[in-house]
Amino acid sequence: DTAVSQTPKYLVTQMGNDKSIKCEQNLGHDTMYWYKQDSKKFLKIMFSYNNKELIINETVPNRFSPKSPDKAHLNLHINSLELGDSAVYFCASSRTGENQPQHFGDGTRLSIL
Amino acid sequence: ILNVEQSPQSLHVQEGDSTNFTCSFPSSNFYALHWYRWETAKSPEALFVMTLNGDEKKKGRISATLNTKEGYSYLYIKGSQPEDSATYLCAPRTGGGNKLTFGTGTQLKVEL
Repeated sequence: DTAVSQTPKYLVTQMGNDKSIKCEQNLGHDTMYWYKQDSKKFLKIMFSYNNKELIINETVPNRFSPKSPDKAHLNLHINSLELGDSAVYFCASSRTGENQPQHFGDGTRLSIL
Repeated sequence: ILNVEQSPQSLHVQEGDSTNFTCSFPSSNFYALHWYRWETAKSPEALFVMTLNGDEKKKGRISATLNTKEGYSYLYIKGSQPEDSATYLCAPRTGGGNKLTFGTGTQLKVEL
């Protein structure tokens, strides 16, 4: 009965590779988010989608491309991985509307060799 | 870049102690303030969403207050228990689309 699930939990890969992280929520929410937890432990918003439409698009390299096939899924595809992409990536979801609490997944730890 | 500061960075208290910590944020363009609790090896869990100046929210032994004019919020824990050990994050909403800017959190450890 996991609410927001991300796969994989751990991802170890070589520099230059392309990889995807999947996120699914079964809460019936319309809005989904991707965050990156950086080396200083800040959670920083990357993207947000509402009903498959891009709402928030922060200053993120265009090697990062979110894809939302339906409102229950928001996947993150990363091209040409770099060392600096090593981080923990969190997916979250919420109901539509401002000031809604966000529900987070457990995170995906991405390590670039 | 929005400056969100939380203090202290970490805190050790004894079981039964009451404690509080602070979240500071710019008071201009305020929309809302979220508090989250993040236990080790788990995901952040929403505690409160506060919008009005003077707002006070309570959930069990945890409560929070909000001062939007001066740009701060306090989180209080009464009678701390070991299960309260976690990192407590605050995040003001800084734009449309429910966009949050997180602080680095206050790491609380409650010892027996």
